Amino acid sequence: EPEVTQTPSHQVTQMGQEVILRCVPISNHLYFYWYRQILGQKVEFLVSFYNNEISEKSEIFDDQFSVERPDGSNFTLKIRSTKLEDSAMYFCASSVQGPYEKLFFGSGTQLSVL
Amino acid sequence: QQPVQSPQAVILREGEDAVINCSSSKALYSVHWYRQKHGEAPVFLMILLKGGEQKGHEKISASFNEKKQQSSLYLTASQLSYSGTYFCGTEGGAQKLVFGQGTRLTINP
Repeated sequence: EPEVTQTPSHQVTQMGQEVILRCVPISNHLYFYWYRQILGQKVEFLVSFYNNEISEKSEIFDDQFSVERPDGSNFTLKIRSTKLEDSAMYFCASSVQGPYEKLFFGSGTQLSVL
Repeated sequence: QQPVQSPQAVILREGEDAVINCSSSKALYSVHWYRQKHGEAPVFLMILLKGGEQKGHEKISASFNEKKQQSSLYLTASQLSYSGTYFCGTEGGAQKLVFGQGTRLTINP
C-alpha cells in the first residue's frame, strides 16, 4: 500500500528556534493535513490544505505556524519560534478527495523542544 | 466540536468482547474509526455515512444510529492484536476531521 513519508522521525530543538517538518503525501492525493499528538493525549487537528491554500485551521494553528507545498511532492509544516508546549508528535496525513474518506497518516515526527 | 468517547479505557482477556461508543450533540455527516498502536500512526478502520448503517470486517464492526449522533465500535472475540487506542472522528468543518479523546484497549492473554 502507498505510504505517507515524514522526515525527520525525531527533531530536537531549542526554544525559540525554527523547525521545518517535512512530509511526502501519496502521489495522487489532493488533500493534506497536519495533526499533532501530545504524549498520551488525543490526535488534534492543526490544518488542512487543498489546491495550494489552507482550507481550515484550528485555534492551535496561530501565526507561529505555516504550511507550504514548495514543489509537487513535499508538504511542510514550519514552526517559527518553538515553545516548550510545541513538544509533541506531529502527523502528516493525506487523502484523495477530502477528510470524509480514508486518511493515510505518516509515521510522525517527534518534536522535542528544550 | 469534538465527539465524546466512552469508556476511556478497557481491559479484556483474549476472546472477550468490547464496545466503544462515540457520541455528538449534533447530527453528523459521517463517523470515522481509527486504531493507533503505541508509538505508531493512526490506521483507518472504517467510515459510516448513513443513519442506521452497520459495517465491519473480520471481528471488528461498527454501527451508526438513525439520528446520526452516536456510533459504536464492536470488537468480538478480541485478539492480542486488537490492543491499542481507538479514536472516532467526525467533521469539525468542511475540511476538518476532529477526533475524540480516544479509548485505550488492553487485551491480556
